[in-house]
Amino acid sequence: TQLLEQSPQFLSIQEGENLTVYCNSSSVFSSLQWYRQEPGEGPVLLVTVVTGGEVKKLKRLTFQFGDARKDSSLHITAAQTGDTGLYLCAGEDNYGQNFVFGPGTRLSVLP
Amino acid sequence: NAGVTQTPKFRVLKTGQSMTLLCAQDMNHEYMYWYRQDPGMGLRLIHYSVGEGTTAKGEVPDGYNVSRLKKQNFLLGLESAAPSQTSVYFCASKPSSNQPQHFGDGTRLSIL
Repeated sequence: TQLLEQSPQFLSIQEGENLTVYCNSSSVFSSLQWYRQEPGEGPVLLVTVVTGGEVKKLKRLTFQFGDARKDSSLHITAAQTGDTGLYLCAGEDNYGQNFVFGPGTRLSVLP
Repeated sequence: NAGVTQTPKFRVLKTGQSMTLLCAQDMNHEYMYWYRQDPGMGLRLIHYSVGEGTTAKGEVPDGYNVSRLKKQNFLLGLESAAPSQTSVYFCASKPSSNQPQHFGDGTRLSIL
């Protein structure tokens, strides 16, 4: 069974600070996706990483996929209150059909 | 621009009752998924479908059944609801393999 762990589980920071959240597994995934979820809504895709070692930037967000395609990180620069939410990583199996989600990192950015 | 639509949005059931949750997508996607989300556990896959007429079990299929009679609809059934099935249920779809999922806004289900 493929499992994903995320750390930290909770994170509360001040606006303007930087932060990194991690997504780790002992399994290899064909791709890994990061989602942000706000209360009462479904997860919304932020990025998909496919190649080992890949780095993608989305404005203040930087995503990295580990060389072995088992782990990933999300770095936010100069956090804003609008970044508050639940950040989920999801690994896709090698058949491209099935996803495993991590338990999420709940981020609070305080003004 | 509907995307993925889930009905109902909220429902309260008594133990032993049955009900069906409907997921509809208007994007002509092949793959559809049903997840449940519980506090501290992320999303867990219940069942999924890789095309019309096909279904497969996910991580936590017990107590649920699904059907994909039409490509655009994926139904999740609870034959005899139990309090352990109290959760928020999310449906998702994607066009093909190695593509991102699109999620609905969820159905909050409480079993008393």
